[in-house]
Amino acid sequence: GENVEQHPSTLSVQEGDSAVIKCTYSDSASNYFPWYKQELGKGPQLIIDIRSNVGEKKDQRIAVTLNKTAKHFSLHITETQPEDSAVYFCAASNYYGGSQGNLIFGKGTKLSVKP
Amino acid sequence: SAVISQKPSRDICQRGTSLTIQCQVDSQVTMMFWYRQQPGQSLTLIATANQGSEATYESGFVIDKFPISRPNLTFSTLTVSNMSPEDSSIYLCSAQQGMNTEAFFGQGTRLTVV
Repeated sequence: GENVEQHPSTLSVQEGDSAVIKCTYSDSASNYFPWYKQELGKGPQLIIDIRSNVGEKKDQRIAVTLNKTAKHFSLHITETQPEDSAVYFCAASNYYGGSQGNLIFGKGTKLSVKP
Repeated sequence: SAVISQKPSRDICQRGTSLTIQCQVDSQVTMMFWYRQQPGQSLTLIATANQGSEATYESGFVIDKFPISRPNLTFSTLTVSNMSPEDSSIYLCSAQQGMNTEAFFGQGTRLTVV
């Protein structure tokens, strides 16, 4: 089955700097890669996702890149703000490969943005 | 989009008892899921709640321990049965309109078993 590795587990940046979180996946048939942000005491919330037919996607200060050959994808946050501090999870799923297609989550990255 | 209300938000329970967690979605959804999240850890899928049929459980989770109901397209319950301290965790309900679409999560139920 699918396995998702996420690095780093913790990341501390200064306000205004960029933050990059990287994930690798094992199942080459995976075709959907969402990123979730989880604030303390809340459920995860989708911030951006990318499908396997796209190499990059941007939404304001957030971007995700996908390298299907290397089976890795990354989250880029530019001009970080204190409110970006949270735990970020990457995930992968494969619905069209004949599998159940459930989301497999990475272990999470705790991002701290220092003012 | 979908808004998910999950309750209770937290509970402290005695070992050997059972707790039922409720999940209400503000719109009809195709798929509902239940996850477990240890504090500071990732999300582990317990089961897919199938409307009108038995839930589909992931490896390591069984129906006798985690019975699930899904009577309609907006509501599901997860029961944690015969609890032990090892069941202490955060339990999350999730809903999706289809595979490879946005998953919406409830705020979670923080369960402590003493």
